[in-house]
Amino acid sequence: AQSVTQPDIHITVSEGASLELRCNYSYGATPYLFWYVQSPGQGLQLLLKYFSGDTLVQGIKGFEAEFKRSQSSFNLRKPSVHWSDAAEYFCAVGMDYKLSFGAGTTVTVRA
Amino acid sequence: SAVISQKPSRDICQRGTSLTIQCQVDSQVTMMFWYRQQPGQSLTLIATANQGSEATYESGFVIDKFPISRPNLTFSTLTVSNMSPEDSSIYLCSTSGLAGADTQYFGPGTRLTVL
Repeated sequence: AQSVTQPDIHITVSEGASLELRCNYSYGATPYLFWYVQSPGQGLQLLLKYFSGDTLVQGIKGFEAEFKRSQSSFNLRKPSVHWSDAAEYFCAVGMDYKLSFGAGTTVTVRA
Repeated sequence: SAVISQKPSRDICQRGTSLTIQCQVDSQVTMMFWYRQQPGQSLTLIATANQGSEATYESGFVIDKFPISRPNLTFSTLTVSNMSPEDSSIYLCSTSGLAGADTQYFGPGTRLTVL
């Protein structure tokens, strides 16, 4: 069955520390891959996407993600977290113009 | 990317009533999508709405409960009918642009509470 898995429900990180959010997918072919962020009370904002080509993708707000076909993973990273990065992060897979979302990872940033 | 607005931003409704949510895009787009985000949950696709054709519903969602209109290339509505407390969710619309590209951009969402 097709699925998107975000293994970490909640991550707490200190401001200035690095952050990595995990995402694994299970699909028959390599789908399109996305990371979205949802701040409290807000809609979803696209951070970055991967369709093909370079497997290291740069996004907005200093985020990057790396696609690893052998591991069916698309992990999101940020070298130095800011307090404003506290939010819910969703990995999503696109197939046939539709998106399937992971369960999300809540990121808490401590001072 | 398209700018998407939704009305209302939030509402509190009584059981058994219906609410229509509007989604407006600032440019013409081919595909529009409606999602539901139940409290503390991820997003689930309700249906895909293309202009000039009937909406396509995902498994578990039916037209009688969630009728959708798509009268033109910039506008869509989702109605939540005969509401119950289980319908309390955030409802989001999204679009992938005129070319039907695979990147979706989302509206701010409508937070619905059913008493």
